[in-house]
Amino acid sequence: QQPVQSPQAVILREGEDAVINCSSSKALYSVHWYRQKHGEAPVFLMILLKGGEQKGHEKISASFNEKKQQSSLYLTASQLSYSGTYFCGTGRRTGNQFYFGTGTSLTVIP
Amino acid sequence: DAGITQSPRYKITETGRQVTLMCHQTWSHSYMFWYRQDLGHGLRLIYYSAAADITDKGEVPDGYVVSRSKTENFPLTLESATRSQTSVYFCASSQDLYEQYFGPGTRLTVT
Repeated sequence: QQPVQSPQAVILREGEDAVINCSSSKALYSVHWYRQKHGEAPVFLMILLKGGEQKGHEKISASFNEKKQQSSLYLTASQLSYSGTYFCGTGRRTGNQFYFGTGTSLTVIP
Repeated sequence: DAGITQSPRYKITETGRQVTLMCHQTWSHSYMFWYRQDLGHGLRLIYYSAAADITDKGEVPDGYVVSRSKTENFPLTLESATRSQTSVYFCASSQDLYEQYFGPGTRLTVT
C-alpha cells in the first residue's frame, strides 16, 4: 500500500530544477506532498485531489495522473532552503487509509 | 498560538513498561493522527481519529492503544513496550483531511 518514490536521493546546484515522482498500486483519492528537514517535523507543501483540485503553496507545482495513479513534484530554480526529505502521501476517502512513501532526499549545494 | 505540542520530547524506557505519549492541539481540528518514523520505512500511520470518541486503526496499530475523550488531546499508549517500538513518534492534526499539521515529535528508546 505504501507509495513508491523516485529518485531516492538527488543532489542539485542552486538554480537547477528537479522532479520527484510518486506512484501507487492502489486507486487514489488524493496525493499529498510534505518536506521534512533533519530533526524537524514534516511540513505540508501541496495536496492534489481526484478531479483536478489542488491546494498548496504558490511556489510549488505538482501533477496528478489519476489513471496511472502517479504524481510528480516539480521544484524549479532550487534554493538552498529546498534541501530536505520530500514525502508523498496517498489517501483514500477516509483518514485511516493514508500512506506515506519512503521519501526522497534532496540536497541543494551552492 | 501554541499549535500542536507533544510530550515528552525524549523518553527512554525499559522493555515491558507502559508508556504514554501525549499530543495536544489548540486549533480544535477534527482529525488527529499518530505516526511512527523509522529509517527505511518513512512515516507509518498507527491510529487515526475523526472526532472525539471516534478512533480507527492505521497501518501498524499492534501494541498501541489510543483514546480521544476531548477534541484537543490524543494520547498514544504503548501497553508493554518492546525494542521494535523504538522510533520517532509524530502526532498530526487536520481540519479537513487536506493539510496535516505535525507536532515536533517524540523520540522514544526502548532498552
